[in-house]
Amino acid sequence: SQQGEEDPQALSIQEGENATMNCSYKTSINNLQWYRQNSGRGLVHLILIRSNEREKHSGRLRVTLDTSKKSSSLLITASRAADTASYFCATFETSGSRLTFGEGTQLTVNP
Amino acid sequence: DVKVTQSSRYLVKRTGEKVFLECVQDMDHENMFWYRQDPGLGLRLIYFSYDVKMKEKGDIPEGYSVSREKKERFSLILESASTNQTSMYLCASSLWGEGVAKNIQYFGAGTRLSVL
Repeated sequence: SQQGEEDPQALSIQEGENATMNCSYKTSINNLQWYRQNSGRGLVHLILIRSNEREKHSGRLRVTLDTSKKSSSLLITASRAADTASYFCATFETSGSRLTFGEGTQLTVNP
Repeated sequence: DVKVTQSSRYLVKRTGEKVFLECVQDMDHENMFWYRQDPGLGLRLIYFSYDVKMKEKGDIPEGYSVSREKKERFSLILESASTNQTSMYLCASSLWGEGVAKNIQYFGAGTRLSVL
């Protein structure tokens, strides 16, 4: 399996609700990142969490990291229709020199 | 802001053609990357480069080559395009060195290539 597997593959919610996406990985990491991709566009970096951090916030985004379970979650609070996009986690391994991306979660926020 | 520019948004080519995908970044980044993105497979790394004239194979280099003659430009070459190379191609760049900020990648808008 790939490093960085997101769950669920697709998520549909109403505007104003919270959206939670999960990511699991297999190896030791230096940091974990979340990226967003609007349909047909490139990826945009959202937030980075180091391996020695457990939680990080940026605006309406909250990321948690549990290195013992090799998992991370991305929470988007008070979602908006403009949050509709694919969200990818990416891991930077301690032994590596590059990012490895998961397959992404497609989030749809209905107005 | 970092800007990564891919020369074409959409490209249609014939089987057997030699195809060049160009990527230029304006932030003096050392690292540059080429990915392809396919439904259900996520992003897969084709090649990357840490310096001018330097290249490293990624996970799926077969059928591709790259060129980095200048720091700001990284080209992906399909020597003889095939239908299974129909895909979205994404270029990215990042700084080199230690420190987590240097792990963040900046992406271009992508080139959707169709090989007929």
